[in-house]
Amino acid sequence: DQQVKQNSPSLSVQEGRISILNCDYTNSMFDYFLWYKKYPAEGPTFLISISSIKDKNEDGRFTVFLNKSAKHLSLHIVPSQPGDSAVYFCAAGTNAGKSTFGDGTTLTVKP
Amino acid sequence: DAGVTQSPTHLIKTRGQQVTLRCSPKSGHDTVSWYQQALGQGPQFIFQYYEEEERQRGNFPDRFSGHQFPNYSSELNVNALLLGDSALYLCASSSIPGTHTSRLNYGYTFGSGTRLTVV
Repeated sequence: DQQVKQNSPSLSVQEGRISILNCDYTNSMFDYFLWYKKYPAEGPTFLISISSIKDKNEDGRFTVFLNKSAKHLSLHIVPSQPGDSAVYFCAAGTNAGKSTFGDGTTLTVKP
Repeated sequence: DAGVTQSPTHLIKTRGQQVTLRCSPKSGHDTVSWYQQALGQGPQFIFQYYEEEERQRGNFPDRFSGHQFPNYSSELNVNALLLGDSALYLCASSSIPGTHTSRLNYGYTFGSGTRLTVV
C-alpha cells in the first residue's frame, strides 16, 4: 500500500510559466510534508516543507499548498526556469521520524 | 562544509554475496537513515541509527543490517544478495532524531548514493 502517491510521472512546462506538481497521501497521521529535488547522479535535496497545521508555505519562487481534507498537496514553482528541470519527490512523515516518499515527478522546463 | 559522503559510488556483486556500504554524515549531524531507491521509484526507508542503536526500521528483511560508530558514521550491510537488491542506496543525515522542527525546516541531507548492481 503506497501511502504517498505522485500520479504524474512527468511534467513539461515553458520557461516563465507556472509548474504545478501534485501529491496525494492516505495516512492521516502524517504531520509534516516535504518536497525534495533530485538531479541525476546526486542525492535528493530538500526544497520546502509544510506542517500539517498550515495550508500554505512560501519560499521565493516555491509555494507548497496543503489540503488536509482532500489529503492532497501541491508544489507551485513561479516562474519556472530551465535549472528547475529535475525529479521532484514528495515526502511525508510523523514525529517518529521516518519519511515516506512518492515515486517522483520529472519536471522539464523548456527554454 | 562537507555534506553526506557515501562510498563506494558504484559496486557490482554476485548473487549470494555480502556487501557493506559506508556513510559519513554531514558535520554536526548525529542521526543516519538509509534508503533504497529502485529504478523509477522513490526512496524506501530501510532503518535509522542514533546513538549507535537502530531506532526505527522499515519493511526490509533481516538480511539488511547496519551499524553506527561513535563518530556518527554508519554502515549498511546486506547479506545473501538477491538480484532484486540492485538499487541506489541513499544515506541521509540529520541532527537530533525525530525533532519535528528540525525535519520541518531542513529535511534530511542526502548523500549521492551507492549504485549497487547484483548479477
